[in-house]
Amino acid sequence: SQQGEEDPQALSIQEGENATMNCSYKTSINNLQWYRQNSGRGLVHLILIRSNEREKHSGRLRVTLDTSKKSSSLLITASRAADTASYFCATAAGVGGHAGGTSYGKLTFGQGTILTVHP
Amino acid sequence: GAVVSQHPSWVICKSGTSVKIECRSLDFQATTMFWYRQFPKQSLMLMATSNEGSKATYEQGVEKDKFLINHASLTLSTLTVTSAHPEDSSFYICSARTDSYNEQFFGPGTRLTVL
Repeated sequence: SQQGEEDPQALSIQEGENATMNCSYKTSINNLQWYRQNSGRGLVHLILIRSNEREKHSGRLRVTLDTSKKSSSLLITASRAADTASYFCATAAGVGGHAGGTSYGKLTFGQGTILTVHP
Repeated sequence: GAVVSQHPSWVICKSGTSVKIECRSLDFQATTMFWYRQFPKQSLMLMATSNEGSKATYEQGVEKDKFLINHASLTLSTLTVTSAHPEDSSFYICSARTDSYNEQFFGPGTRLTVL
């Protein structure tokens, strides 16, 4: 079942502005990942943050994780028109998953945020 | 980085026919492969998890007799949509992982249209 919920569902900004997307989840996690998907294409992995981490950076991306609130945010700074895409968070199972088990590494995706960056 | 391919990238078929989609890990051995379905403007829904050499584990609500999964080798998994109907039209995406990585690598997806 889908446990991740993202907001906003759609975000429209001007080039150069920052874009913030939020993700909430319900069960314990091992890690949380953010993916990007251009229309009709596959997923591109952006960043992974482990359950014992609070913040992570990668280029113009900043991800935070608050396990007490079961939420994460993705910040894209100085956005570009090329950042226009759908962004999904995905959680990997926590307690009960073990390496080699059939459910290990299973991802549950959020509903996604459609980001439009206007030039 | 690890590369996963899917074939075909798109397919159009008549209602009642069966369609096979291949998912290959090109430069690593995938102990586990996952199959997802994505309807327009929606998120990815996990259909099943397959481990090499064993039966696939299907998610609740996914008909295993309709969506046949075969993980014949450490680099190939196939999804066969049997007796496809228009409601099966969707974007099917596979991913692959190995115990060495904490990350799933996604294929580019296959667009299935059933007329």
